[in-house]
Amino acid sequence: SQQGEEDPQALSIQEGENATMNCSYKTSINNLQWYRQNSGRGLVHLILIRSNEREKHSGRLRVTLDTSKKSSSLLITASRAADTASYFCASVNAGGTSYGKLTFGQGTILTVHP
Amino acid sequence: ETGVTQTPRHLVMGMTNKKSLKCEQHLGHNAMYWYKQSAKKPLELMFVYSLEERVENNSVPSRFSPECPNSSHLFLHLHTLQPEDSALYLCARLAGGSQETQYFGPGTRLLVL
Repeated sequence: SQQGEEDPQALSIQEGENATMNCSYKTSINNLQWYRQNSGRGLVHLILIRSNEREKHSGRLRVTLDTSKKSSSLLITASRAADTASYFCASVNAGGTSYGKLTFGQGTILTVHP
Repeated sequence: ETGVTQTPRHLVMGMTNKKSLKCEQHLGHNAMYWYKQSAKKPLELMFVYSLEERVENNSVPSRFSPECPNSSHLFLHLHTLQPEDSALYLCARLAGGSQETQYFGPGTRLLVL
């Protein structure tokens, strides 16, 4: 079954607005990561939040984690046209493998209009 | 820069062909992965190699055959594929030390006719 479910599936906003994407997962996690993918390209790691953390910032990115609700959100502030991409959450299960197996969500397609 | 390269970037093959996808990195790793990304589906983990030993094979059909001859190279050999195998195939490495973040190559876009 699908571990990560993301919401919304697609998001369209104007440049300068904030974009919020949500992710839910089903099992206990060690950490949760967000990745970005430009059309037809590889994924790029954005940010990692551990299970004992509630919020983390990196530049214009803010990630929150609510382990009681098994959910996470990614906020991109002051969006730019260059932020247009697909965004994926991916979780590492608690007590999982030694090789960092990730379970990915279906992703949110973000379009930022200039 | 992720340090992971993949060749070819695009591949068109017939169902009777045999081809290989190549993944290369020289930055060291604790594990390397093959993923399949199809339209409107989440990334599917196909194979995992940890220190050149295959540690995971997620019920992938035998027409896909991975190979990890050394710490810098990973191959995915393709044989008698089906049109539904058309997808973006991504290679990734797990960075040493932190063992938490994966670094992806740009992918090979495969079309099976």
